[in-house]
Amino acid sequence: DTAVSQTPKYLVTQMGNDKSIKCEQNLGHDTMYWYKQDSKKFLKIMFSYNNKELIINETVPNRFSPKSPDKAHLNLHINSLELGDSAVYFCASSNIGSGANVLTFGAGSRLTVL
Amino acid sequence: KQEVTQIPAALSVPEGENLVLNCSFTDSAIYNLQWFRQDPGKGLTSLLLIQSSQREQTSGRLNASLDKSSGRSTLYIAASQPGDSATYLCAPPQGGSEKLVFGKGTKLTVNP
Repeated sequence: DTAVSQTPKYLVTQMGNDKSIKCEQNLGHDTMYWYKQDSKKFLKIMFSYNNKELIINETVPNRFSPKSPDKAHLNLHINSLELGDSAVYFCASSNIGSGANVLTFGAGSRLTVL
Repeated sequence: KQEVTQIPAALSVPEGENLVLNCSFTDSAIYNLQWFRQDPGKGLTSLLLIQSSQREQTSGRLNASLDKSSGRSTLYIAASQPGDSATYLCAPPQGGSEKLVFGKGTKLTVNP
């Protein structure tokens, strides 16, 4: 039933490792996003895909690579993890075509880099 | 560049009180604004979306207002309940884009 689901919910890893976070939405939305919430609770957009095409790409290190195999999935791969990557990563989706663009968020994936 | 400020940063009230959360933003070229709540350790839940053509939007005990010209929005919560305890975030878009810019939020605690 979950509208936007992300896995894993918790991820603890060592510096230098490569990890992925997966996101799936079953709402039929045309747009998906990745947001990062840091320790100061600031929530900032990282990427946005509309129908599998990248439409927003904020200034994030190129160690972060989103991949959208279809419009219901948007995965986030992170290479060479650094301490500063520790944060909660939220996936979200919306239907830009509806004109209202109400975002539905996943529960978040807490990444801890040791 | 859109910048969002939410005041107060934290608010503690007794149950039953009516309260107002404030949001100000710098780029008024927006077509809507959303209010979200975030419960500890959880994702965000959209509460209200108010279009730029509207001045108010209501959902149950919540009422959001938008004054684009002054770059302000308020979220009014009537008859607050302990279950309303959460962090409330205001999110206008970056002017002319779909990209939402979030404030740091107001952490609300409603005491029984």
